Amino acid sequence: DAGITQSPRHKVTETGTPVTLRCHQTENHRYMYWYRQDPGHGLRLIHYSYGVKDTDKGEVSDGYSVSRSKTEDFLLTLESATSSQTSVYFCAISLAGGGADTQYFGPGTRLTVL
Amino acid sequence: TQLLEQSPQFLSIQEGENLTVYCNSSSVFSSLQWYRQEPGEGPVLLVTVVTGGEVKKLKRLTFQFGDARKDSSLHITAAQPGDTGLYLCAGKAGGSEKLVFGKGTKLTVNP
Repeated sequence: DAGITQSPRHKVTETGTPVTLRCHQTENHRYMYWYRQDPGHGLRLIHYSYGVKDTDKGEVSDGYSVSRSKTEDFLLTLESATSSQTSVYFCAISLAGGGADTQYFGPGTRLTVL
Repeated sequence: TQLLEQSPQFLSIQEGENLTVYCNSSSVFSSLQWYRQEPGEGPVLLVTVVTGGEVKKLKRLTFQFGDARKDSSLHITAAQPGDTGLYLCAGKAGGSEKLVFGKGTKLTVNP
């Protein structure tokens, strides 16, 4: 158990509303990641962080922003949710940067944008 | 852009059968991971391979990393219903902090 929690676990919202998803870790790991998982597309990286206030874009970052003010928390914000952002969102941590590091995933947040 | 192609996309077999899932790319990876995901949960790491030609075994599961570190396979012997799930491969290029994921193989093992 890598000590990763995500909140909320489920959310239904309307188009145009802001949404923030939270990822919390208890292990003090440096690297944290946000993915979305959609049928036919697999897991796609949205943003990742390599330290407090250090973030970078992934392959599907448009429409999303992130913040990391504390080591343990990584927030994903949809400034104005759209139906195309309906998905399951996973947070992951990496135990080490570089080399053969591996990622451990949280339980996911199912987001529905109506 | 690095891509990982997984095949087959879907696989439905009977309990006791053997199967192999493939993960292929034209890119070289410094490491490759296999994950298993059950409905409603996050992916769970099964194994990491880092050396070309490496073979790792996890009970009835055998993982192999290609000599050129561009491909990998997962072989399950005598599949059981508990093996049912989505199997994902993911590769990491040298110097990168990101994983590239395949789209997954959905395995169903029928009793």
